[in-house]
Amino acid sequence: GEDVEQSLFLSVREGDSSVINCTYTDSSSTYLYWYKQEPGAGLQLLTYIFSNMDMKQDQRLTVLLNKKDKHLSLRIADTQTGDSAIYFCAESNPDNYGQNFVFGPGTRLSVLP
Amino acid sequence: EPEVTQTPSHQVTQMGQEVILRCVPISNHLYFYWYRQILGQKVEFLVSFYNNEISEKSEIFDDQFSVERPDGSNFTLKIRSTKLEDSAMYFCASSEAKLGTNIQYFGAGTRLSVL
Repeated sequence: GEDVEQSLFLSVREGDSSVINCTYTDSSSTYLYWYKQEPGAGLQLLTYIFSNMDMKQDQRLTVLLNKKDKHLSLRIADTQTGDSAIYFCAESNPDNYGQNFVFGPGTRLSVLP
Repeated sequence: EPEVTQTPSHQVTQMGQEVILRCVPISNHLYFYWYRQILGQKVEFLVSFYNNEISEKSEIFDDQFSVERPDGSNFTLKIRSTKLEDSAMYFCASSEAKLGTNIQYFGAGTRLSVL
């Protein structure tokens, strides 16, 4: 079945860039998403990218997609302490409307002062 | 901004008891979902619901689980006889179900603790 993998931990210094990586196995994945989960909170949609795109930028966030390698990354520029959270990569294939998401295990980002 | 709301935020129950977790999806959305996240583990899909019936379900969603849309706004997950291993965070999500997009918006979750 489909699988999504991420590295589990990342530590960066405040002001540096963070790069969180994700790999997926489903070649028919059409949409890929990044969600953020702060302690004790729900899943907040950060951004998403369609498979016909290579890159998407939204303020401090840049998403890069390498379809050939099935690799997705999320870059956070000028990382702040408020960015400390768990970041989940998820994929879906919405050929069927109700297609569920498959989530990665999450990357815990720690931002050091 | 419209959001998915879930109640309660924390539910404590005794093993063997029935629990009902409640969700109010975003009002113009047509697809509804339940996911769960056992502490420290992945977010796992349970079930999706469309047009008053289950669209898809995972192996986790066994006979102990059921979903219902009792009125025009609520979407509920019932666990008939809770087990210790049902302790988890349960997330509700909804999506518009437009062709070509499936962006799911999640609630803040209900933490279920089974004692």
